[in-house]
Amino acid sequence: QVQLVESGGGVVQPGRSQRLSCAASGFSFSTYAMHWARQVPGKGLEWVAVISYEGNNKYYADSVKGRFTISRDNSNNTLYLQMNSLTTADTAVYYCARGPMTMYSLDSWGQGTLVTVSS
Amino acid sequence: QSALTQPASVSGSPGQSITISCTGPSSDVGDFNFVSWYQQHPGKAPKLILYFLSNRPSGVSDRLSGSKSGDTASLTISGLQAEDTADYYCCSYTSSGTWVFGGGTKLTVL
Repeated sequence: QVQLVESGGGVVQPGRSQRLSCAASGFSFSTYAMHWARQVPGKGLEWVAVISYEGNNKYYADSVKGRFTISRDNSNNTLYLQMNSLTTADTAVYYCARGPMTMYSLDSWGQGTLVTVSS
Repeated sequence: QSALTQPASVSGSPGQSITISCTGPSSDVGDFNFVSWYQQHPGKAPKLILYFLSNRPSGVSDRLSGSKSGDTASLTISGLQAEDTADYYCCSYTSSGTWVFGGGTKLTVL
């Protein structure tokens, strides 16, 4: 059974950094692309970033490009999102999701972790 | 990377059918069939309900179907049930190698 568990959320001051983690289990992590998406409470979903199965290819939404970095550790079945220069606009629930390229979709999602950027 | 356009809300009575549209630039929805749809109940994570426009993952009801015409993809839910009340999002792969979501549609089964 696919399981994705995000961690690392919390309250962070504007301008500071935060790293999110997503622990994966129940599937062959190293063979799947992985995504991060976010959702401001009460608002819609926003796609954030994707990383290829081997970690060589990464793409970002314009809103986070240059500030966020997606990475993965296939030996530990873990996905990361390093977030720098955070602003209040980055306050959201952050979800990790599995992204089989055979489906061009996000087929399994974690429960999310809330990041609140506030002074 | 502008969000795809969806109606803010739709409603229907039990047993009826509704359609949710999703319009994007030709470089996204128009050029690719890589449109997926997600259902999200309050306080829950999104759930994939359609991929490649109209393919249902295992376990998803056959009351859900998808299609596309030009730059607009559509999700149709037939035989509405109370449990269908939720938010629905479309998503498309783009020519830039990124993905983009629609703004979301709140479905209310009256």
